[in-house]
Amino acid sequence: GENVEQHPSTLSVQEGDSAVIKCTYSDSASNYFPWYKQELGKRPQLIIDIRSNVGEKKDQRIAVTLNKTAKHFSLHITETQPEDSAVYFCAASRGSGNTPLVFGKGTRLSVIA
Amino acid sequence: GAVVSQHPSWVICKSGTSVKIECRSLDFQATTMFWYRQFPKQSLMLMATSNEGSKATYEQGVEKDKFLINHASLTLSTLTVTSAHPEDSSFYICSARDSLANYGYTFGSGTRLTVV
Repeated sequence: GENVEQHPSTLSVQEGDSAVIKCTYSDSASNYFPWYKQELGKRPQLIIDIRSNVGEKKDQRIAVTLNKTAKHFSLHITETQPEDSAVYFCAASRGSGNTPLVFGKGTRLSVIA
Repeated sequence: GAVVSQHPSWVICKSGTSVKIECRSLDFQATTMFWYRQFPKQSLMLMATSNEGSKATYEQGVEKDKFLINHASLTLSTLTVTSAHPEDSSFYICSARDSLANYGYTFGSGTRLTVV
């Protein structure tokens, strides 16, 4: 089955700096790669996703890149703000309706004002 | 957008009792529901995949006789934790895919289970 590795497990950045979180996946059939932000005790919140037919996607300060050959994808947050502090999870899945998301272990991002 | 309603949001139960968690898809039909468990400061771990009208598929290490899953309709899946023990205390969350929303995943709000 799919295995998703995520690094780093913790990340501290100064406000205004950029943050990068990286993930690798094992299943070459995976074609959907979302990123989630989760606050304590709440459901994961989708912040951006990418499908395997594109290499990069951007939404304001957030971008995701995908390298299918190397089987890795990354989350980039620019101009970080204190409210970006949270736990971020990457995930991967195949395209069919009955395949689950497999999550990375998460990254705790702290943005220091 | 697609909404999955999960109840209860939190529950405290005594050791040895059973607890049922419900997930309903409110505006779409969920032929498949995924159940995850999340321990403090850990990731979401898939427990089982629930299919409407058929038996659930459990991940390795998850006891199917302890975590009973029923998916009797296209809008309702339930997870029953039987004979709960303190080590079952966790955050349980369901997820479904909405075929009408380009197969995005929708999550329930989660259930915080505490077994005392």
